[in-house]
Amino acid sequence: AQSVAQPEDQVNVAEGNPLTVKCTYSVSGNPYLFWYVQYPNRGLQFLLKYITGDNLVKGSYGFEAEFNKSQTSFHLKKPSALVSDSALYFCAVSWLNRDDKIIFGKGTRLHILP
Amino acid sequence: GAGVSQSPSNKVTEKGKDVELRCDPISGHTALYWYRQSLGQGLEFLIYFQGNSAPDKSGLPSDRFSAERTGGSVSTLTIQRTQQEDSAVYLCASSLEIGFGYNEQFFGPGTRLTVL
Repeated sequence: AQSVAQPEDQVNVAEGNPLTVKCTYSVSGNPYLFWYVQYPNRGLQFLLKYITGDNLVKGSYGFEAEFNKSQTSFHLKKPSALVSDSALYFCAVSWLNRDDKIIFGKGTRLHILP
Repeated sequence: GAGVSQSPSNKVTEKGKDVELRCDPISGHTALYWYRQSLGQGLEFLIYFQGNSAPDKSGLPSDRFSAERTGGSVSTLTIQRTQQEDSAVYLCASSLEIGFGYNEQFFGPGTRLTVL
């Protein structure tokens, strides 16, 4: 069965330090991987996605994610965290399916400490 | 351009009453999704519309929940005989193309439903 896991409910990082939010997946065939962010009292926003090609994907607000097929992972990263990056982050996985079905992880709350 | 809009932004109702939540997707988007999010938690898939095909209702938690999409655009999620456990933020999303799986979804701001 297709699934996505975010093993950490919460991640705390000091401002200016690099941050990583973890995501692993399980799909039959090639995955399509997404990161979404939900800032406080706001809707979800698309950050970036991996479809094919270069394993390192760059997205909005300086975020990037690396697709690792052997480890079935798609961790979100940023070299230097900002307090404004504090939010709820969702990883999601899809695959070649005519219904555009997508499965979201349960979310990781990122706290950037000033 | 205009994004996904939802109305009302907040809805407070009494237990047992019916409520209707509205979603206006981005013009031209053929896929529309409803999710439920409880207290900043994960997303619970409710229902999915794809063009003129029959909707995927596999996520609806009970027969008190229903949704329709008129003219391939606006969608309404109806909850009958609301219960306190229905209190949550209801999110709507739309996406552009169908049939491939790699299209990102665009989310509305949500409707916060409180059942007293």
